[in-house]
Amino acid sequence: GQQLNQSPQSMFIQEGEDVSMNCTSSSIFNTWLWYKQDPGEGPVLLIALYKAGELTSNGRLTAQFGITRKDSFLNISASIPSDVGIYFCAGQPNAGNNRKLIWGLGTSLAVNP
Amino acid sequence: GAVVSQHPSWVICKSGTSVKIECRSLDFQATTMFWYRQFPKQSLMLMATSNEGSKATYEQGVEKDKFLINHASLTLSTLTVTSAHPEDSSFYICSASTRMETQYFGPGTRLLVL
Repeated sequence: GQQLNQSPQSMFIQEGEDVSMNCTSSSIFNTWLWYKQDPGEGPVLLIALYKAGELTSNGRLTAQFGITRKDSFLNISASIPSDVGIYFCAGQPNAGNNRKLIWGLGTSLAVNP
Repeated sequence: GAVVSQHPSWVICKSGTSVKIECRSLDFQATTMFWYRQFPKQSLMLMATSNEGSKATYEQGVEKDKFLINHASLTLSTLTVTSAHPEDSSFYICSASTRMETQYFGPGTRLLVL
């Protein structure tokens, strides 16, 4: 099925560094969502974006809905060990009754204390 | 708010038995619930979408007679893996959605079929 292009696939950084990851699509999306998944757990919603150009923060996390509606990025500032996990972007190409999410393959983040 | 629970969190069963997994939205009414399957180190794979009171819509390649979905109320959906086999072993995750597009996920159920 359709998937989003998410990069990078993995990152290994030092505690305190900033992190940036992004997702792109060949088609227009109406909603972009960023989730974090810890091992053995379900994804937890970090940030939801509903308008093109929207820039939203959640603590040390900042995400933007690209103006072309075909991309989004997630930034994490001043990383800490508990930021470790897999980050997924997800988007909805249609509004209304079809709420299916299209998923990226994830970015695995490791933080060295 | 927006809490979704799943039960059980893990289950081990013998090949040929059926397993039921429950998904509940605890503090909101979910107009739509989704069931996903996830293999190790992979992204989530949508299995089916269900709306309360209507039949589930299954993704291509997912057997509806194998994975029975019941969405009895706005807060409860169940997934039954019928006649489970070892290849059905996986991590099953549900999500629930309101009128807005955001999906809230349960903690997942790990199924191991021996």
